[in-house]
Amino acid sequence: AQTVTQSQPEMSVQEAETVTLSCTYDTSESDYYLFWYKQPPSRQMILVIRQEAYKQQNATENRFSVNFQKAAKSFSLKISDSQLGDAAMYFCAYRSSNSGYALNFGKGTSLLVTP
Amino acid sequence: DTEVTQTPKHLVMGMTNKKSLKCEQHMGHRAMYWYKQKAKKPPELMFVYSYEKLSINESVPSRFSPECPNSSLLNLHLHALQPEDSALYLCASSQDRYGAYEQYFGPGTRLTVT
Repeated sequence: AQTVTQSQPEMSVQEAETVTLSCTYDTSESDYYLFWYKQPPSRQMILVIRQEAYKQQNATENRFSVNFQKAAKSFSLKISDSQLGDAAMYFCAYRSSNSGYALNFGKGTSLLVTP
Repeated sequence: DTEVTQTPKHLVMGMTNKKSLKCEQHMGHRAMYWYKQKAKKPPELMFVYSYEKLSINESVPSRFSPECPNSSLLNLHLHALQPEDSALYLCASSQDRYGAYEQYFGPGTRLTVT
């Protein structure tokens, strides 16, 4: 089974600064999908960004971008110009393209944003 | 409408009770999911429905019984639960269970078993 590792249980960033959350995964597949989900306290989990493994170009969504290193099996999330509303638990997730399986989540990184 | 709704928001039940959780989406999604989430942990998959048929059951105890009456509605029937079943129960849906489709999550039902 694929494993997803988030090695930073907690991170802190000041408003307007940049922070990078790390994620590594273990798989023998060549085609798969990677996601970052955000879960604010007592609020709904929402998708931040996704990356298809066959795409070499790193995904970007406004202030959020990823650094996808397929050979290294690394998928980090960069948040630029951090805002107070970015404070949340961030989950990295893997999804196989073959099995139709659901998301395989990492343990999460709790991001604190300080004024 | 990109919303997944769940009712009730909170539920307290005794170990001998029978209750149901409800999830609804009107996005035309054909895959729906139940997850269980403990505090400060990632969601754990329980069930996957695809085109109204149960596709995946992650070895969930029989005291949890899912039901998909139609393509928009997903229920989770609860019976004889244990205190360790207390958790946030999340419903999600996606256009299909395959592919890079985003899963849309509901706000969850916070269940307490006494």
